[in-house]
Amino acid sequence: QQPVQSPQAVILREGEDAVINCSSSKALYSVHWYRQKHGEAPVFLMILLKGGEQKGHDKISASFNEKKQQSSLYLTASQLSYSGTYFCGTEGRMDSNYQLIWGAGTKLIIKP
Amino acid sequence: EAQVTQNPRYLITVTGKKLTVTCSQNMNHEYMSWYRQDPGLGLRQIYYSMNVEVTDKGDVPEGYKVSRKEKRNFPLILESPSPNQTSLYFCASSTLLAGVFNEQFFGPGTRLTVL
Repeated sequence: QQPVQSPQAVILREGEDAVINCSSSKALYSVHWYRQKHGEAPVFLMILLKGGEQKGHDKISASFNEKKQQSSLYLTASQLSYSGTYFCGTEGRMDSNYQLIWGAGTKLIIKP
Repeated sequence: EAQVTQNPRYLITVTGKKLTVTCSQNMNHEYMSWYRQDPGLGLRQIYYSMNVEVTDKGDVPEGYKVSRKEKRNFPLILESPSPNQTSLYFCASSTLLAGVFNEQFFGPGTRLTVL
């Protein structure tokens, strides 16, 4: 039930682009994206609701394909501050449980 | 300032010694939850609460208890901690709008070591 994130890790040079994918085996109602720095709490990036809308947040955007049960996070012209581990949290409505199920994370390292 | 607080931030204890990790939020959120985070496994939900006196098991509830007597507080209780409960714990809170989660606000984390 845990969504699958890919890649597990990626190393970039500052200014390069990255795509992080999140794929679920269950029908999704929403997808959440968070970034976590080492030893800190996860920080909210954005929520995508079913309907396939794409959202943007500075140079970070995301899409949600509900038919494929997938979401992708796009980081454009990456900055050093983008380093961290990115998590997707998925919300399904197949049962009565109100839970976000989290992926294992994608570690992003940005080098100068 | 809107925030979720957890105490203690760090705790080293011994097997079998009961402990409580407190969690408090000042945003009047109805939904609160506890997660544990272990390397390579992401966030796994222990328990969650939809509102006062309403709690339910998450994916890894064994060995844990919770209570929700007040809306702002959601303590996590380990009655008899074991070494496999050594982990980083996060409390989180949010609202639900038409049944859909809004932004999760996380506490700073509690690093627990059970010897």
